[in-house]
Amino acid sequence: GDSVTQMEGPVTLSEEAFLTINCTYTATGYPSLFWYVQYPGEGLQLLLKATKADDKGSNKGFEATYRKETTSFHLEKGSVQVSDSAVYFCALKRLHTGRRALTFGSGTRLQVQP
Amino acid sequence: GAGVSQSPRYKVAKRGQDVALRCDPISGHVSLFWYQQALGQGPEFLTYFQNEAQLDKSGLPSDRFFAERPEGSVSTLKIQRTQQEDSAVYLCASSLALGGDTEAFFGQGTRLTVV
Repeated sequence: GDSVTQMEGPVTLSEEAFLTINCTYTATGYPSLFWYVQYPGEGLQLLLKATKADDKGSNKGFEATYRKETTSFHLEKGSVQVSDSAVYFCALKRLHTGRRALTFGSGTRLQVQP
Repeated sequence: GAGVSQSPRYKVAKRGQDVALRCDPISGHVSLFWYQQALGQGPEFLTYFQNEAQLDKSGLPSDRFFAERPEGSVSTLKIQRTQQEDSAVYLCASSLALGGDTEAFFGQGTRLTVV
């Protein structure tokens, strides 16, 4: 079945550091890929997405590239801020067949220190 | 309201008690999903609806779990005879359609604790 694997956290960085959160997936066909973010006390929010190979999703300084050859969708940001502290979830969704719901990874907690 | 609303936000149930969790999706959203999120884990799919039709309930962990959306808007997730392993955050999400890249909007969830 479909699955998403994320690097375990917490990831602790100083402000302005470079961020990478690794995500790899297993799925039948060509799923859409997503990063969701959960800030403390809030619901999940879509951060960015990519719907086909080599697409790059970007938002709020974050970006991730859909790499079909390595089945990866790593999240990166060049300079993190304290306000980026949150839990980040990588997810996939099939486009045309099978279950249409999101399949999530286990989440990676990011802590940014001033 | 502007977003997906879930109630109650917190629920403590004694083992064996029945509970009902409510989800108010964004107005006009056709698709509605329920997920279960255990502590420290990602959300896991339970069931989804397209309007009032429950198209997939394969993620429901047992026959104690039941969901409905009778008028294609508000949905209720019911858990009968709650067990400790049911303790989790229950998330509801809605989207305008079922398409692959249609954004799903999540509520803040209901945290259920079974004691």
